[in-house]
Amino acid sequence: EVQLVESGGGLVKPGRSLRLSCTASGFTFGDYAMSWIRQAPGKGLEWVSFIRSEADGGTTEHAASVKGRFTISRDDSKSIIYLEMNSLKTEDTAVYYCTRQYSGYDTGFGPWGQGTLVIVSS
Amino acid sequence: SYELTQPPSVSVSPGQTANITCSGDELGDKFASWYQQKPGQSPLLVIYRDTQRPSGIPERFSGSNSGNTATLTIGGTQAMDEADYYCQAWDSSVVFGGGTKLTVL
Repeated sequence: EVQLVESGGGLVKPGRSLRLSCTASGFTFGDYAMSWIRQAPGKGLEWVSFIRSEADGGTTEHAASVKGRFTISRDDSKSIIYLEMNSLKTEDTAVYYCTRQYSGYDTGFGPWGQGTLVIVSS
Repeated sequence: SYELTQPPSVSVSPGQTANITCSGDELGDKFASWYQQKPGQSPLLVIYRDTQRPSGIPERFSGSNSGNTATLTIGGTQAMDEADYYCQAWDSSVVFGGGTKLTVL
């Protein structure tokens, strides 16, 4: 069974940093592109970051709203992806979901983890 | 930046067909995916590459995509289908629609 488990969320002050982790199991992690997607309280889904498999270059993409502040990375030896979040703003408050590209190129995202809540507040 | 537009809400009677639309410039030239999200739960992929159902998704869920509009169709809608539905596509980045609340009444 595919499982994605996020961790690292919590309450943090504006301007500070936080690192989220997502531990994967149940599939060959290195074969898949992975992504972080967030959802502010009562709002819709917002894509945050994406990282391709090493076979596809391991390149990354970030939403304009987080570019230069957030960095996605992966450790295939541990089946983990990370989201390093710097210079956090109150508008970064959200549940952050880890998800996998479902199959090959442009096949949507699934399954999703349970999410980890990040609250940015003074 | 690319935008996807969904109606905020759609209502359907049990057993009837629900159609949820997603509009974007030349969306038919891209692949559309659809997600279901029930209250307090993580999103669930229900359609990818316009028409494909992931394993475990009931056959009553189907999709289409042409021109500027992608459509998620739920045939024989059940009470358990009441949820928020989001469309998604790739432009230069991943884009989500604003979501549609499906009410079954």
